Amino acid sequence: KAGVTQTPRYLIKTRGQQVTLSCSPISGHRSVSWYQQTPGQGLQFLFEYFSETQRNKGNFPGRFSGRQFSNSRSEMNVSTLELGDSALYLCASSMQGANEQYFGPGTRLTVT
Amino acid sequence: KQEVTQIPAALSVPEGENLVLNCSFTDSAIYNLQWFRQDPGKGLTSLLLIQSSQREQTSGRLNASLDKSSGRSTLYIAASQPGDSATYLCAVISSSGTYKYIFGTGTRLKVLA
Repeated sequence: KAGVTQTPRYLIKTRGQQVTLSCSPISGHRSVSWYQQTPGQGLQFLFEYFSETQRNKGNFPGRFSGRQFSNSRSEMNVSTLELGDSALYLCASSMQGANEQYFGPGTRLTVT
Repeated sequence: KQEVTQIPAALSVPEGENLVLNCSFTDSAIYNLQWFRQDPGKGLTSLLLIQSSQREQTSGRLNASLDKSSGRSTLYIAASQPGDSATYLCAVISSSGTYKYIFGTGTRLKVLA
């Protein structure tokens, strides 16, 4: 069974631009969660989607948004990028959300 | 508010040594606890999942225990190898149905050959 895939793997953007990251969960998994990892803050929860609905959201500004499609693939969008948005963005999938989570390799975003 | 702490932050041991990594959480109302390893610049690899009704889980040289009442979990690694060098993270998910994992800050392990 294929694992969680994330595209692109690396991204360089300029401050003020917007970016869209994509996550394809393991087949059969309906829950997708997004996390931001930085050296200073560690791993922080962004949001979780289940059956195209956002069930929970972390403490991030409205510039961070996401969505989930009917095939469970998910995208997250960051608008008006700031230098502090530079991070490794990880997505994880699970059957229901509270089950074992499987992580993708991440997207490394650098904002200059 | 759930807080997860991992001690020590970093650990360096000679190859072959048995070691214990600690994870503490402040709210015992958890649904499960999961241990991960992360290699530099990579995603997270799931090691062990302990559900709230379980006391421990084992996989190969790894054994994880859970004591909900005291808010503690330990990851025991037997006969450590240089390939075990990585950052180890624990995460808990609340039983309140929020469906979000709260991660600890991790223990950076280095096993010396």
